[in-house]
Amino acid sequence: QVQLQESGPGLVEPSQTLSLTCTVSGGSLTSGTYYWNWIRQPAGKGLEWIGRIYSGGGSTHYNPSLKSRVTISIDASENQFSLTMSSVTAADTAVYYCAARTSYGPFDYWGQGTLVTVSS
Amino acid sequence: QSVLTQPPSASGIPGQRVTISCSGSSSNIGSNYVYWYQQLPGTAPKLLIYSSNQRPSGVPDRFSGSKSGTSASLAISGLRSEDEADYYCAIWDASLGVFGTGTKVTVL
Repeated sequence: QVQLQESGPGLVEPSQTLSLTCTVSGGSLTSGTYYWNWIRQPAGKGLEWIGRIYSGGGSTHYNPSLKSRVTISIDASENQFSLTMSSVTAADTAVYYCAARTSYGPFDYWGQGTLVTVSS
Repeated sequence: QSVLTQPPSASGIPGQRVTISCSGSSSNIGSNYVYWYQQLPGTAPKLLIYSSNQRPSGVPDRFSGSKSGTSASLAISGLRSEDEADYYCAIWDASLGVFGTGTKVTVL
């Protein structure tokens, strides 16, 4: 079973770049089986899909509303994938989740989430 | 602003049946499978329904999903106190993911 764990700074200053890493165990990032996603949730609000990367071809897809500020990449040697988000504001304060799922079916795994606060 | 619209809240007494709707369009629900997630307070979402009406192993059969046209529904029968949570519909298509606005279910 795939397990995921987010890590990164809990506090980021406005206008700076947010960087988070998701460490994967129980599965290979390069197997081509899963899409590797980032999702966020501001306090008291709903889930927002940020984007994903597919190791099978290295393709990425992003939420159009965030596309200009977001990059998702894979570090195969560490079995990790990462999120960078530039020019953050207080509106980017949220719990950030990494998640893995297949194209179809019940194979759907999430990390526990990590809180990122944007504040000076 | 999500393109999948859910009622903000739903409630019922233990044992009752509660239904949550998810309204979309021909470009999302109308042409994709629908997924449903349960999120208990302070935890990550958990997959309840996939492929519009299938339950993953371990999900009680009290939970059922359906889809018709551009709308989908999640039904919880025999409501229990532990079902009190937020529920989200979702679409995972070839190029993006979309979550519904979310519904808070309260067990009275």
